[in-house]
Amino acid sequence: DAGVIQSPRHEVTEMGQEVTLRCKPISGHNSLFWYRQTMMRGLELLIYFNNNVPIDDSGMPEDRFSAKMPNASFSTLKIQPSEPRDSAVYFCASRETSGANVLTFGAGSRLTVL
Amino acid sequence: SQKIEQNSEALNIQEGKTATLTCNYTNYSPAYLQWYRQDPGRGPVFLLLIRENEKEKRKERLKVTFDTTLKQSLFHITASQPADSATYLCAPGPGGATNKLIFGTGTLLAVQP
Repeated sequence: DAGVIQSPRHEVTEMGQEVTLRCKPISGHNSLFWYRQTMMRGLELLIYFNNNVPIDDSGMPEDRFSAKMPNASFSTLKIQPSEPRDSAVYFCASRETSGANVLTFGAGSRLTVL
Repeated sequence: SQKIEQNSEALNIQEGKTATLTCNYTNYSPAYLQWYRQDPGRGPVFLLLIRENEKEKRKERLKVTFDTTLKQSLFHITASQPADSATYLCAPGPGGATNKLIFGTGTLLAVQP
């Protein structure tokens, strides 16, 4: 298994531009999580899905952020318009619903908004 | 609100010594607690899970304790090696009625040769 796959690994964009981050979870994993990591705030949960349905989006900072999971093998996190304070590493993680509540993380997408 | 605290300062120890990292939580009654390791430029990797009815869990040179009365978990690495240098994150879970996993801010461990 290739693990959780995220793209792009690095993104540099200008303020006001739209950013789309992508995630392919591990096949057979029913839950998918989006986290954001910064030095100041650590690893913050933004949103998570069970069986492609958003369960808890209370961590999404504001309306500029949106996430979708159109099918079991793909999710996107979109920021529109982007701002410099959105600069962070964004991680996607997936989990088997049965068994222990252990997350497998992707390598992350490092976003820099100028 | 739920709060998870880990030592924000880096922990520097000599190779061969035992490293002990602390995780404290408040306003939480987790059924279990997990520890993850994160290396620079990579995502966190799961290490150990300890349940509320377990006092101690071991895996090779790693040992985790879980005190639900003190609301604290200790993470020990015995005979530490420079390769153990990384950030270690704790995650009590689940949080509340949902299955979301909330992480502490992590402690950076540096093992000096």
